[in-house]
Amino acid sequence: GIQVEQSPPDLILQEGANSTLRCNFSDSVNNLQWFHQNPWGQLINLFYIPSGTKQNGRLSATTVATERYSLLYISSSQTTDSGVYFCAVMDSSYKLIFGSGTRLLVRP
Amino acid sequence: DTAVSQTPKYLVTQMGNDKSIKCEQNLGHDTMYWYKQDSKKFLKIMFSYNNKELIINETVPNRFSPKSPDKAHLNLHINSLELGDSAVYFCASSQVLSGGPYNEQFFGPGTRLTVL
Repeated sequence: GIQVEQSPPDLILQEGANSTLRCNFSDSVNNLQWFHQNPWGQLINLFYIPSGTKQNGRLSATTVATERYSLLYISSSQTTDSGVYFCAVMDSSYKLIFGSGTRLLVRP
Repeated sequence: DTAVSQTPKYLVTQMGNDKSIKCEQNLGHDTMYWYKQDSKKFLKIMFSYNNKELIINETVPNRFSPKSPDKAHLNLHINSLELGDSAVYFCASSQVLSGGPYNEQFFGPGTRLTVL
């Protein structure tokens, strides 16, 4: 089945720093989502981005479908950005396959 | 105006008991899902229902039985609970079951199940 790998597994930033999270996937996809799981456990939709670039405030994402990767950019990080970031892609059976996540800690 | 809601938020129970988790969505979506998140935060799909019909059953023990009384509700009943069932269970919904944008999935707040 399709494999989803995220890097780095852990990231510690000082408030105000920028970061890039990466998601590699092993097969072509037409559905890719980024989620933020906050420290209270809630899964929050960030982007639906099977291809192209989107921006939402300090966050932006780019997916290069032909090269099978997606990037999530966080600029001017804040402590509220802490949590786990998941990339998920849909396989041919319409199952959403999650990566193992990037755990982000933003220090004040 | 919660989009996807679950009850209860926490569930602590003894081994061998039977318990249910309820999920409701008010987004008018056709498709609903159950996911399990283990202690290492790994998320995996368990079931999906489309218009009350079971579509995906991802090799889950038959002690787990989903039930969809209507499109807006998907409940999860677990019989004979085991220690290994301890996890966070998430319900999700999407507009349709397809590969495109209408399958953007939205998640409930999760139910933390602890089996003692």
